[in-house]
Amino acid sequence: DTGVSQNPRHKITKRGQNVTFRCDPISEHNRLYWYRQTLGQGPEFLTYFQNEAQLEKSRLLSDRFSAERPKGSFSTLEIQRTEQGDSAMYLCASSLEKSFPTLDSNSSYGYTFGSGTRLTVV
Amino acid sequence: DQQVKQNSPSLSVQEGRISILNCDYTNSMFDYFLWYKKYPAEGPTFLISISSIKDKNEDGRFTVFLNKSAKHLSLHIVPSQPGDSAVYFCAASYTGTASKLTFGTGTRLQVTL
Repeated sequence: DTGVSQNPRHKITKRGQNVTFRCDPISEHNRLYWYRQTLGQGPEFLTYFQNEAQLEKSRLLSDRFSAERPKGSFSTLEIQRTEQGDSAMYLCASSLEKSFPTLDSNSSYGYTFGSGTRLTVV
Repeated sequence: DQQVKQNSPSLSVQEGRISILNCDYTNSMFDYFLWYKKYPAEGPTFLISISSIKDKNEDGRFTVFLNKSAKHLSLHIVPSQPGDSAVYFCAASYTGTASKLTFGTGTRLQVTL
């Protein structure tokens, strides 16, 4: 198991172009998350999937952003008509649905992050 | 609206001494808290967590303390090692949904020799 894999690691694009990122989660994980991190900020939640169903989307995910997880395995995040404000690190994470602890347990979140895709819009 | 705040952007500590990183939150619905460590060009790595019914959790050199009344948590690292130099993020969630983490802005820890 190589962990969560994200491609490409870096992407430079011109404003107005479309870009697509890919995330391959840990194989047995049925939940997949996308986060965005800008300079000086912590990661911000964008969306998450349970299997192939997209269960929650942040208001940060404008209509230029679309995410898919067609077969419940890998996921893609597409940004259309990129803007300079889209420049950020896009992080993917995965987990098992049942990995989240109850209040009285000592177990921890099974959230594993990938190394991210750094997008620069020029 | 920053629901999780880390007011110290950086901290420098000598090797062998204690590092204390602080985090405050405003949303009283949060009931589960985590610390992540991040090296440059890598994704965040889970470090330690605590639920709201506890006030302390230890894992080796790392201890997290939670003060619910003050909506404050802290991460203690003792003894600090040069390999601990990284950016540390505090995050919060709800155990009920457990799907979304809300992160602070991070504290850069530098452990000097």
